[in-house]
Formats: sequence, structure tokens, C-alpha cells
Amino acid sequence: GAGVSQSPSNKVTEKGKDVELRCDPISGHTALYWYRQSLGQGLEFLIYFQGNSAPDKSGLPSDRFSAERTGGSVSTLTIQRTQQEDSAVYLCASSLVGGAGEQYFGPGTRLTVT
Amino acid sequence: GEDVEQSLFLSVREGDSSVINCTYTDSSSTYLYWYKQEPGAGLQLLTYIFSNMDMKQDQRLTVLLNKKDKHLSLRIADTQTGDSAIYFCASFSGSARQLTFGSGTQLTVLP
Repeated sequence: GAGVSQSPSNKVTEKGKDVELRCDPISGHTALYWYRQSLGQGLEFLIYFQGNSAPDKSGLPSDRFSAERTGGSVSTLTIQRTQQEDSAVYLCASSLVGGAGEQYFGPGTRLTVT
Repeated sequence: GEDVEQSLFLSVREGDSSVINCTYTDSSSTYLYWYKQEPGAGLQLLTYIFSNMDMKQDQRLTVLLNKKDKHLSLRIADTQTGDSAIYFCASFSGSARQLTFGSGTQLTVLP
């Protein structure tokens, strides 16, 4: 398929462990976004990559969260020393161009911290 | 920063029209979007409207934009059970350079 894919689809981890979430954007899309969706909440913007520019990290909730995008394609969101409040669905989206370009979402990774 | 508000729940009978409302605060918003999220799935872009338009129609979907009141609505004609989902309104503003989403409206279609 040509859509955005994310892995794993579900992740259960113990409090204090580190986790890595992966996103494969649509081929050719220059912009990539990470969002967090908590139960009963809307989407919370986390980080935005646009081409080779420095990422917009303004939405990352703490320094335990980091993300990278290698080769302008695949992205990994890392959460260190997970806490129970990190439990959420983490959604990745990509768009052909940044800014107001239409964003296409992956199915998300459901993270549960026990 | 930008704030986007939606009512949380809406129930309609199958075959009726649904109207989902959204308000936003940033007058520099240039694009406004409607996304649909079905259970366990990511978000699907339904439609969007540019801020210099006041209406856009796409099959059963009609988007109305009142820029003066910063009010956006999505009308779904002849609502079907398959339309049951959460609908998110989102605003893009040049100042924020990113999308701001509302909290979503859970649409339930009753038989």
C-alpha cells in the first residue's frame, strides 16, 4: 500500500522503560508530523519535520521525548523513562509539502505504560 | 495560540442530516479541514475549505464557513450508519505554521 504506516500497532511497556515508535511516510512526502491522542482528547501536536530544515519541536511535552527522521523518510519517536501519563495513541502524518498541505495519517501506535 | 472548539457528541437518525459545528480563534487561519476517525483507525481527510470561500460541496458533504464569526460546519446529508465516527475540525494558520485540531465530535447514527 502507498499509505503512511506505523509500527508497532500496539506496545505495552513497563514504567521507566524506553520505547521507540516508527513511522514510514508516503514516498515523496517532504513533511512528517507526530501527534499524540489521549483518551477523550483531541490531537496534540508533538513535532514536525520539513525537508532538511531543523524540526519544529515546540510540541514535545518533556525532554524525555525525542524524534529523528533519517534520510528524509522514516521517522522514529523515542520516549525515554516512560511514565503512565505517556499512555496514548501516537499518530504520524505526512504531507507532500509542509504548511497547509493535506496531511495523511497512519493508523497509529497504541502505547500502554503499566 | 489557536484554539479550536467542537461539541463532543451528536446523535442523529439514519437518513437525517447531521451538522457538526466548530469554532476557531485565529483570524489568520487560511485552511480549515474536516477529518474522520473510525474506531482503531487513523484520521482520514474528508474535505477542506480555503478561507476565501464560504461554502464547499462534495457529494453528501457540505462545508460552510462564516469567517466573520470564525465558525465552520460540516453537514452530512442522508447520514448512514457507516458515518458513525469521530469528526475532527482542524485549522491551519500562517502564524502557527501547523494544524490545530479540535477535540473531535463523536457522531452516532441511530437506525
